Amino acid sequence: DTGVSQNPRHKITKRGQNVTFRCDPISEHNRLYWYRQTLGQGPEFLTYFQNEAQLEKSRLLSDRFSAERPKGSFSTLEIQRTEQGDSAMYLCASSLSGADTYEQYFGPGTRLTVT
Amino acid sequence: QQQVKQSPQSLIVQKGGISIINCAYENTAFDYFPWYQQFPGKGPALLIAIRPDVSEKKEGRFTISFNKSAKQFSLHIMDSQPGDSATYFCAGFSGGYQKVTFGTGTKLQVIP
Repeated sequence: DTGVSQNPRHKITKRGQNVTFRCDPISEHNRLYWYRQTLGQGPEFLTYFQNEAQLEKSRLLSDRFSAERPKGSFSTLEIQRTEQGDSAMYLCASSLSGADTYEQYFGPGTRLTVT
Repeated sequence: QQQVKQSPQSLIVQKGGISIINCAYENTAFDYFPWYQQFPGKGPALLIAIRPDVSEKKEGRFTISFNKSAKQFSLHIMDSQPGDSATYFCAGFSGGYQKVTFGTGTKLQVIP
């Protein structure tokens, strides 16, 4: 399977703990995106990388959130001091820069539950 | 900040019927208007997209109708099938920010 992969698929953590998620994009894709989706809502943009550079960050991405893409391949999203409001599905997507970059390919997501 | 409004929230259609989902947008800076399909436990998958200078785009059983002056667009699914049962999201794409702004979603159920 050469699609976008995300690990873990599910994460349950206690409030106040730190969590880290990983995303592996489609291998030739140089753009990588993180979105958050809460129940019954559409995904909300968090941030995007072109290669290793983080080019755009949403105001939703508070100081407790940090994303990295150190070598322009996989990316990690870390949430520090988790809160119950962080419970959501965290989606990663990738695309190839070019004419139709609206075509983003999404992974299956990591579902985070903060107790 | 809600920039893409979608209706209805849920929709039940008989097999073979036409499913219609409507969206309205506020941001005139969107470069494309994609539709995504999401099955339970999966990420959204791009279904079809339209540029704002085109009034209609058809791919198989899926058609987007676009009304730029009204800032509205809709998805029509012809000959709806049970396999089309999923949540559909309309969206706007901003090329400058590489950002997809999603609507709230429509849960479609196609009954035999």
